[in-house]
Amino acid sequence: EIVLTQSPGTLSLSPGERATLSCRASQSVSSSYLAWYQQKPGQAPRLLIYGASSRATGIPDRFSGSGSGTDFTLTISRLEPEDFAVYYCQQYGSSPRFGGGTKVEIK
Amino acid sequence: QVQLQESGPGLVKPSGTLSLTCAVSGGSISSSNWWSWVRQPPGKGLEWIGEIYHSGSTNYNPSLKSRVTISVDKSKNQFSLKLSSVTAADTAVYYCARDRIVPAHAFDIWGQGTMVTVSS
Repeated sequence: EIVLTQSPGTLSLSPGERATLSCRASQSVSSSYLAWYQQKPGQAPRLLIYGASSRATGIPDRFSGSGSGTDFTLTISRLEPEDFAVYYCQQYGSSPRFGGGTKVEIK
Repeated sequence: QVQLQESGPGLVKPSGTLSLTCAVSGGSISSSNWWSWVRQPPGKGLEWIGEIYHSGSTNYNPSLKSRVTISVDKSKNQFSLKLSSVTAADTAVYYCARDRIVPAHAFDIWGQGTMVTVSS
């Protein structure tokens, strides 16, 4: 069973700053099976990144994903006001699992 | 544009069975995708419950497997979740989601979610 650990738990940043979110897996994960989601209060999660680095339809290019093996990163190049939310990584192995989430809050 | 909509009772008694349905519109449930249930307890993270293919093949979260049944009704273009022997720990927002396989696994479409409270 693969466990995903996201860090930091909370990231306090200002609009315009760069956000770097980490997702570490307890075992190697195929890049094809790593995704990132954004969730705002009262809303369903939204797919941002699939296959570790491919942006989903309609996702701005300020969002980028990278990594392989056990270490993956979601980067938001310049935070917009609408980007303050909780972000989850997710692996699709024998049993899909989500990380615990990183909250990006306004500093 | 595929859309998903959950429906079902918002209140379930302890030891009872939680039953939810997800209606698929704007596309066919018989497409080459899996269909999943995901839940989120209040203030907590996301937990995958299980998934079904239109053929009826299923996969379940091992931690819930003994209590979960997911079924599909192709004639109604919908799939359903049953969770038995519920306790307060099963109180959560329940989402249905499309698990796209190509070009890579990802939950690309989600329902709005439905809150289910387990209480007497």
